Amino acid sequence: DAGVIQSPRHEVTEMGQEVTLRCKPISGHNSLFWYRQTMMRGLELLIYFNNNVPIDDSGMPEDRFSAKMPNASFSTLKIQPSEPRDSAVYFCASSPRGQGKENIQYFGAGTRLSVL
Amino acid sequence: SQQGEEDPQALSIQEGENATMNCSYKTSINNLQWYRQNSGRGLVHLILIRSNEREKHSGRLRVTLDTSKKSSSLLITASRAADTASYFCATDPQNAGNMLTFGGGTRLMVKP
Repeated sequence: DAGVIQSPRHEVTEMGQEVTLRCKPISGHNSLFWYRQTMMRGLELLIYFNNNVPIDDSGMPEDRFSAKMPNASFSTLKIQPSEPRDSAVYFCASSPRGQGKENIQYFGAGTRLSVL
Repeated sequence: SQQGEEDPQALSIQEGENATMNCSYKTSINNLQWYRQNSGRGLVHLILIRSNEREKHSGRLRVTLDTSKKSSSLLITASRAADTASYFCATDPQNAGNMLTFGGGTRLMVKP
């Protein structure tokens, strides 16, 4: 398997623009997680899905952030409008938990977002 | 919120030395995991220890778990320059669904 695939790897945009980050989880995994990592705040869980259903979005910082998982093989994280403080590395991870397997998470390479 | 707290936050050693990192947590857990993150990369799972286990080995890694003290340690023996990375502990809390709670990480530098 190719692992968790995220796109784009790097995104530079201007304040106020819409940003869409994409994630393809490992085939067969039923849980998907979106994280944000910054030097100041470390690794923060934004939202996670089980079987395509959002379970906990308490980490989503504001209404400007939204996430969807229309099917088992694709998820998006959207920021509209973007602000400079959204600059961070965004990670997607998937896990086979609940399928008789341990809750180990497999991370993508991340999207480095810079909002100017 | 971050449940796990790693100690130290940063560690610098010479190649060949052992590196020990500690993690403390607050709630009851199903298991505790350690992950490594190389600069500019995603986290990679290293080892998992269940709540009913006290020690586990994998290659040059040794993990201990003390549930009475709610703490764990990761020992890397005979370190190599390639071990330079950040190391995170993550707890699988009981009754918390599929979430893992990650600590702030320990930045390890191994000097050749």
